[in-house]
Amino acid sequence: EAGVAQSPRYKIIEKRQSVAFWCNPISGHATLYWYQQILGQGPKLLIQFQNNGVVDDSQLPKDRFSAERLKGVDSTLKIQPAKLEDSAVYLCASSPDSIGDTEAFFGQGTRLTVV
Amino acid sequence: KQEVTQIPAALSVPEGENLVLNCSFTDSAIYNLQWFRQDPGKGLTSLLLIQSSQREQTSGRLNASLDKSSGRSTLYIAASQPGDSATYLCAAPSKNYGGSQGNLIFGKGTKLSVKP
Repeated sequence: EAGVAQSPRYKIIEKRQSVAFWCNPISGHATLYWYQQILGQGPKLLIQFQNNGVVDDSQLPKDRFSAERLKGVDSTLKIQPAKLEDSAVYLCASSPDSIGDTEAFFGQGTRLTVV
Repeated sequence: KQEVTQIPAALSVPEGENLVLNCSFTDSAIYNLQWFRQDPGKGLTSLLLIQSSQREQTSGRLNASLDKSSGRSTLYIAASQPGDSATYLCAAPSKNYGGSQGNLIFGKGTKLSVKP
């Protein structure tokens, strides 16, 4: 079974530029998450999708971050314009759609450096 | 609001020792608890998922326990090896939305170093 795929693995941009990350979840997984992990911290949820609907985006900085999930499968996360404090690892995860008991699987992440 | 705490933040042990990593959570109404491993510069690898109806789960040299009443979980690693060196994270779900899986709330992790 293929895992969660993310690209790119690394990205370096200047502040005020824009950047986009892509995620392909495990086939058949209805729930998709984007997490931000700052160095030395645990991952923090940015947005959760179930199929192509948003379940939770309460912690997404909507003035600069946006995300979509195309046809309930692949997802993109965009930052525009980027700030220095956006430097972090962006993790995508997916899990099956079930009531309560599920297991989340993570991709390798995209390491973003904003200079 | 779910909060997850992990202690210690860092742990260094000689090869061969048995060790315990601790995780505590504030909202005991959880469906499950998941332990992950993270190597430097990598994503998260799922180690063990304990369902709320279970008290423990085992995989090889790893054993995870769950005590919902006290809001605690432990990860026991037997006969540690240098290859076990990594950061270990535990995560508990937030409140579910209409029955679907709530998002995972993570602790800050325990950085384990196993010396040869």
